[in-house]
Amino acid sequence: DIQMTQSPSSLSASVGDRVTITCRASQSVGSYLNWYQQKPGKAPKLLIYAASTLQSGVPSRFSGGGSGTDFTLTISSLEAEDFATYYCQQAYSISFGGGTKVEIK
Amino acid sequence: EVQLVESGGGLVQPGGSLRLPCVASGFTFSTHWMGWVRQAPGKGLEWVANIKYDGSDKYYVESVKGRFTISRDNAKNSLYLHMNGLRVEDTAVYYCARQSTVTRSAFDVWGQGTVVTVS
Repeated sequence: DIQMTQSPSSLSASVGDRVTITCRASQSVGSYLNWYQQKPGKAPKLLIYAASTLQSGVPSRFSGGGSGTDFTLTISSLEAEDFATYYCQQAYSISFGGGTKVEIK
Repeated sequence: EVQLVESGGGLVQPGGSLRLPCVASGFTFSTHWMGWVRQAPGKGLEWVANIKYDGSDKYYVESVKGRFTISRDNAKNSLYLHMNGLRVEDTAVYYCARQSTVTRSAFDVWGQGTVVTVS
């Protein structure tokens, strides 16, 4: 099984900050890596697929990068609505990372 | 509007069974892979199972193999998760999710979830 490790598990940031979340796979997944945002009590929402392609309707302040085993999700300027938990998902055999909770500083 | 609506959750004793239906609307159900993802209380997301658009291929996470069965009825635009031999650790919110046709791996539409409690 492919294990996905996200870091950090949580972070505190302010509106306007640049935030980067990292996801590492235990073996190469090529570009088969997706990112989701989940707010409390709500279903996850797809943000980025194929490592770097923005899902339709997602603000351009979100971006994804990486390939192979190391990936990043970057929010260029954090907005109030971005405080949530973010998950990576490898699509090679389907599994999720443990999540990164982005909290207000 | 593209929509997935799950139902069937509830409280069940260990060893019991439940069937979770998910009804799709607003898109051509028969052209999409579909899946189930669960989230235990206070925990992260866990993929449970998925099924090919025509039902010919099915995949499961190891922990549910032999106990859960995913199925679909394209004529009824419906996805199902049949759960037998339920364990306390199966307690979770169960989400029905559509897999994208652009990149089959991504879950691009999600239901609101249905709560399963095994106790």
